[in-house]
Amino acid sequence: DGGITQSPKYLFRKEGQNVTLSCEQNLNHDAMYWYRQDPGQGLRLIYYSQIVNDFQKGDIAEGYSVSREKKESFPLTVTSAQKNPTAFYLCASSTPALGRSGTDYGYTFGSGTRLTVV
Amino acid sequence: AQSVTQLDSQVPVFEEAPVELRCNYSSSVSVYLFWYVQYPNQGLQLLLKYLSGSTLVKGINGFEAEFNKSQTSFHLRKPSVHISDTAEYFCAVSVPSGNTGKLIFGQGTTLQVKP
Repeated sequence: DGGITQSPKYLFRKEGQNVTLSCEQNLNHDAMYWYRQDPGQGLRLIYYSQIVNDFQKGDIAEGYSVSREKKESFPLTVTSAQKNPTAFYLCASSTPALGRSGTDYGYTFGSGTRLTVV
Repeated sequence: AQSVTQLDSQVPVFEEAPVELRCNYSSSVSVYLFWYVQYPNQGLQLLLKYLSGSTLVKGINGFEAEFNKSQTSFHLRKPSVHISDTAEYFCAVSVPSGNTGKLIFGQGTTLQVKP
C-alpha cells in the first residue's frame, strides 16, 4: 500500500546536536511538507517542496534545514540553532493544488516523529 | 493570506449525544476545506473535505460538515458520538488557485466523550 513513512518514531537530542528526521513516500506525490505540532498551537509549516531540488521556507523555518534530492524523500534536519526543538513533527505529501479539482486531491500524513531534548 | 479559527479548544460531551466542532476561516480567494482527526501520538487522518459541489459533505465515522460561504464556516457535526471519537480535531484550508498547495491549520479542538 502507498503511504508516507516517518522514522524514527521517537528521537532524543542532546543540547547542541543536529538530528535528522526521515520522511519517505511511495505515492508519487510531487509536493512534500514538514509541520511542527505543539500543544494548543495546531500545526505550523516548517518547510515545503513542490519539486525535486527545490524547497521553500514555511512560517517557522529558523533552526531547520531540508533537502529534496529525490521525489520520494524529504528529510528534515533540526540544527543546534533551533532553541526549542521538543515537539511532534509531521511530514505530509500531496499533488500540487494548482489546477486540481478532482475528488482525489488531498494530503497524506505520516505517523510522526516525537523529538525530545535531553 | 488565509487563516483558520477553531472556536473551541475543548468540547466535552456525553456518549450518544450530538456534537458540533466549529471552524471559521478567512480568505480573499476560494479555498478547499478539510477536517482531520488525530489520535494520541499518531498522524492526521482525513475525515472529510470540501473541494466543490454540494455544500454538505459526508465523511468517515459518521461525521459530516457544511460549507457556508457567506459565513466563511465549515463546522463539523456528528449526531451521536462514541467513546472512540475522543481525539484532537483539526480544520484546515488550502488555496486551489495558488501554487504552493500548503495546508493552513486551526489550533485544534479536543473532543472529550464521556460515558
